[in-house]
Amino acid sequence: DQQVKQNSPSLSVQEGRISILNCDYTNSMFDYFLWYKKYPAEGPTFLISISSIKDKNEDGRFTVFLNKSAKHLSLHIVPSQPGDSAVYFCAASAKNYGQNFVFGPGTRLSVLP
Amino acid sequence: GAGVSQSPSNKVTEKGKDVELRCDPISGHTALYWYRQSLGQGLEFLIYFQGNSAPDKSGLPSDRFSAERTGGSVSTLTIQRTQQEDSAVYLCASNYAYNEQFFGPGTRLTVL
Repeated sequence: DQQVKQNSPSLSVQEGRISILNCDYTNSMFDYFLWYKKYPAEGPTFLISISSIKDKNEDGRFTVFLNKSAKHLSLHIVPSQPGDSAVYFCAASAKNYGQNFVFGPGTRLSVLP
Repeated sequence: GAGVSQSPSNKVTEKGKDVELRCDPISGHTALYWYRQSLGQGLEFLIYFQGNSAPDKSGLPSDRFSAERTGGSVSTLTIQRTQQEDSAVYLCASNYAYNEQFFGPGTRLTVL
């Protein structure tokens, strides 16, 4: 049973528009959430994180929103750029359960010029 | 500064052979993780080392898989009697405390 779900395997967005990537989780003990970006033939790179004590974290064009009651988080990229085309992984962890990060299956974002 | 490195970058082997994959984490990082990504799939957790504690091996898919971390630094993932379903990209990551993980570039394993 997947504890972290990314129900959209792919997403296409026009350059300059907003990209919204969604992630749902089932374990209410998760208290730290991260987004990673992965280009082909490279390892994932950290993008942005959010702790469960917050509902929003912003870093430049990237904003992560957390809705704890819905066990849902989303990554907003605005404006989207062609270089943002990659696979985006959502990950979650629970400090009280050690550092094992649980990853979602990923969403492939294509930003069209 | 040096990131996480993995070797080899590519490994082609015949079914039934043993393989060893190496990971050099970032210096000072106390935790080291192994994941694998099969074609079209997400990241599958394999094993996690934290300092001197016993490793979390809960993700290892079979007893053909094992890993060691020597001196709290370099780690080796060993797959014995490889099978075709072991073909995947094997990713190593490290971090400190509860911060984000830094990933290596991965080793692409192909079992013929």
